[in-house]
Amino acid sequence: NAGVMQNPRHLVRRRGQEARLRCSPVKGHSHVYWYRQLPEEGLKFMVYLQKENIIDESGMPKERFSAEFPKEGPSILRIQQVVRGDSAAYFCASSELAGGSGANVLTFGAGSRLTVL
Amino acid sequence: AQSVTQLDSHVSVSEGTPVLLRCNYSSSYSPSLFWYVQHPNKGLQLLLKYTSAATLVKGINGFEAEFKKSETSFHLTKPSAHMSDAAEYFCVVSGVEYGNKLVFGAGTILRVKS
Repeated sequence: NAGVMQNPRHLVRRRGQEARLRCSPVKGHSHVYWYRQLPEEGLKFMVYLQKENIIDESGMPKERFSAEFPKEGPSILRIQQVVRGDSAAYFCASSELAGGSGANVLTFGAGSRLTVL
Repeated sequence: AQSVTQLDSHVSVSEGTPVLLRCNYSSSYSPSLFWYVQHPNKGLQLLLKYTSAATLVKGINGFEAEFKKSETSFHLTKPSAHMSDAAEYFCVVSGVEYGNKLVFGAGTILRVKS
């Protein structure tokens, strides 16, 4: 069991470029979550997806950010026209069950660290 | 209002001495509470979780935490620190009032001196 795999681990982009972060969940997990960690802060929820569906995107910025989890392949977090404030660590987690309550345990990846120059 | 507050951003202990990482939460209902640990360049690992069963929860690597409703606290302890415990620790709350999402504290960096 390879756990949650995220790539790239480090990504450098110039302002205005696009960033694509990929997340392959634990085998058999159909629920994926994206969190963002800004410097000196805890992780903040962004979006929760199941296969082909966005369940909760209440933490996603309204513009430039999008996420998908297709039937085949990894989940993708896409940031268009990046700005310096997008520099952060982006963590993906997956679970077998739905939601983040006590009965469900999320497995986190090692994160993708985005730096915007 | 802050959902979960980690009272210390940094804690430094000597190897072999006790560890105490403090966490207070706010919740109107019965929350689920977790402690995660993050080693440098690694993913977050679940140490332990409380889900309304026993109030004293034992986790991995000798860590435990006690849920105290009257104090709205969920402090993490370990009797004797090891060098390998040096990492960042996150207290996390979840529950119906949070849409069953995990809400993270700001983290506590634990330093272990030899």
